[in-house]
Amino acid sequence: DTEVTQTPKHLVMGMTNKKSLKCEQHMGHRAMYWYKQKAKKPPELMFVYSYEKLSINESVPSRFSPECPNSSLLNLHLHALQPEDSALYLCASSQDGGLSFYGYTFGSGTRLTVV
Amino acid sequence: GQQVMQIPQYQHVQEGEDFTTYCNSSTTLSNIQWYKQRPGGHPVFLIQLVKSGEVKKQKRLTFQFGEAKKNSSLHITATQTTDVGTYFCAGLSGGSNYKLTFGKGTLLTVNP
Repeated sequence: DTEVTQTPKHLVMGMTNKKSLKCEQHMGHRAMYWYKQKAKKPPELMFVYSYEKLSINESVPSRFSPECPNSSLLNLHLHALQPEDSALYLCASSQDGGLSFYGYTFGSGTRLTVV
Repeated sequence: GQQVMQIPQYQHVQEGEDFTTYCNSSTTLSNIQWYKQRPGGHPVFLIQLVKSGEVKKQKRLTFQFGEAKKNSSLHITATQTTDVGTYFCAGLSGGSNYKLTFGKGTLLTVNP
């Protein structure tokens, strides 16, 4: 299995809703990432988990809460989002950080719309 | 913090023409990675360059890493319509092994 699976593919949520994005990989990768991508922009790093521990939080607002239940799963809990948070949320994984010979494997993303 | 600048922002070519995108970093890079994102898709890893002056080829794609490890380029020979997409370079930043920073990308469109 050489894929990163993200669910749901599309999500529309109100500003008072609570929702979660899910990401799963079975490649034995020990680093997992959340990126946010706005239209016509590059992916922006949000969080990094290394060996199931949060190692980087790029000053992301607390309305985004990451969780890594085990080495294969990564969640992003969403609460009280703003319309400007609408974007494509990408999960990625790598064998062990950014020097991995095989680079990062990205999931197909969750396209989030906040209304 | 580290910035990875990428030019051009857009490039439109006729099928069969060559294409090049360039990346420049304000600091020395540990490595540089290249990704391709098709319209409506997600980034897909193409290659990683690590050594100073390194050149790697993948069929019609040639990747170069500068001698000072501050710049890189991707050259596509004889473009095809399947080459359409945004090409991103990305480098590690902040002394972290995990903080991959992407350039702004070059959107390539190919006229058949």
